[in-house]
Amino acid sequence: KNQVEQSPQSLIILEGKNCTLQCNYTVSPFSNLRWYKQDTGRGPVSLTIMTFSENTKSNGRYTATLDADTKQSSLHITASQLSDSASYICVVSARRDYKLSFGAGTTVTVRA
Amino acid sequence: IAGITQAPTSQILAAGRRMTLRCTQDMRHNAMYWYRQDLGLGLRLIHYSNTAGTTGKGEVPDGYSVSRANTDDFPLTLASAVPSQTSVYFCASSPSGTSGTPLRNEQFFGPGTRLTVL
Repeated sequence: KNQVEQSPQSLIILEGKNCTLQCNYTVSPFSNLRWYKQDTGRGPVSLTIMTFSENTKSNGRYTATLDADTKQSSLHITASQLSDSASYICVVSARRDYKLSFGAGTTVTVRA
Repeated sequence: IAGITQAPTSQILAAGRRMTLRCTQDMRHNAMYWYRQDLGLGLRLIHYSNTAGTTGKGEVPDGYSVSRANTDDFPLTLASAVPSQTSVYFCASSPSGTSGTPLRNEQFFGPGTRLTVL
């Protein structure tokens, strides 16, 4: 069973609307959580990184939250743009070896 | 600044053939990684190298080998390709490997190689 589960698998939103993506993890002991954006045909690019003591981190219109007690994270996209169409991947690192566990990603499609 | 480059961009390969995927980074990062990405699955680590001259096995190493003769290059070799190795392969690098702060562990990814084994 994957240690990082993301939902929904995919979603379609209209340009200008907001959306929230979810990530639940079981990785322990926890070191940090990253959200990556992967455009079609490209490699993943980091959006945010949060450690245990951080519960929110913003990068422009992207805001990530972390609840280390419940082992949940969310990525909120505000005022979506067509360029936000991509796969968003949640990645969790364990403290003992820093190896990364990847979620399968949420595919976001923004339509005009 | 190129960052990480991978070659080829895509390749169709007959089963049983040998293939080397190339990866080069110009960021002087110590650690490098190879992942495969399959539909519906998260990226899975094949092999990694924390520093030049050392390599380690990841989650799915069977059928693959790597070498790290210098800091910049980290080639991935399929000795005898099989159809189950059809995938998109990503190379990544980070300033440090299994030690260091989270920011130094942040991985930067190449553009990927799409490999089809028939």
